[in-house]
Amino acid sequence: GQQLNQSPQSMFIQEGEDVSMNCTSSSIFNTWLWYKQDPGEGPVLLIALYKAGELTSNGRLTAQFGITRKDSFLNISASIPSDVGIYFCAGLHSGGSNYKLTFGKGTLLTVNP
Amino acid sequence: DGGITQSPKYLFRKEGQNVTLSCEQNLNHDAMYWYRQDPGQGLRLIYYSQIVNDFQKGDIAEGYSVSREKKESFPLTVTSAQKNPTAFYLCASSIMGGAGTEAFFGQGTRLTVV
Repeated sequence: GQQLNQSPQSMFIQEGEDVSMNCTSSSIFNTWLWYKQDPGEGPVLLIALYKAGELTSNGRLTAQFGITRKDSFLNISASIPSDVGIYFCAGLHSGGSNYKLTFGKGTLLTVNP
Repeated sequence: DGGITQSPKYLFRKEGQNVTLSCEQNLNHDAMYWYRQDPGQGLRLIYYSQIVNDFQKGDIAEGYSVSREKKESFPLTVTSAQKNPTAFYLCASSIMGGAGTEAFFGQGTRLTVV
């Protein structure tokens, strides 16, 4: 299947610091999605991106859809302890009638108070 | 409230038994998906369905089966042929096409086979 390379695998930061993570793919995607997952729960959608070059914010979170349509990044500003969790990127490739979401392996974020 | 419901939250089965995980959505979404998550791993696609009575294999379909008899329901059966069934299973749904093609997830079912 298609592969998404998500980096970094894990991050340990101090409260108040900014965070950046990204995903790259060898394939073009029509949609990029960013999710956060708390332990034992399902992922929750944070931001959805639909156009190359699109920059979207959701509170302290900002994500961008890369110009080449093969990458995306997520920034978190002024981190707080509740930002702890696993962040996943997902790319949607829609060809014809085939819609298939592919996920990265996630970035585990730890925030030290 | 609209959403996706997976049940049960925790499931224990003996090795060699088939087990069916439930996924129901009342969001009127056309597409539904099943993913498997192992510790430290991303989400791997098992099966997905874009329309009633039709579904496609994902990347790790071996040892699993699904049905889509109703738009709202997409149950997953973990068969005895699945060599390593213990995992966290996630169901998702989405509309299809253009803006709004976000997938929303259920709370997951943690399956333990002993």
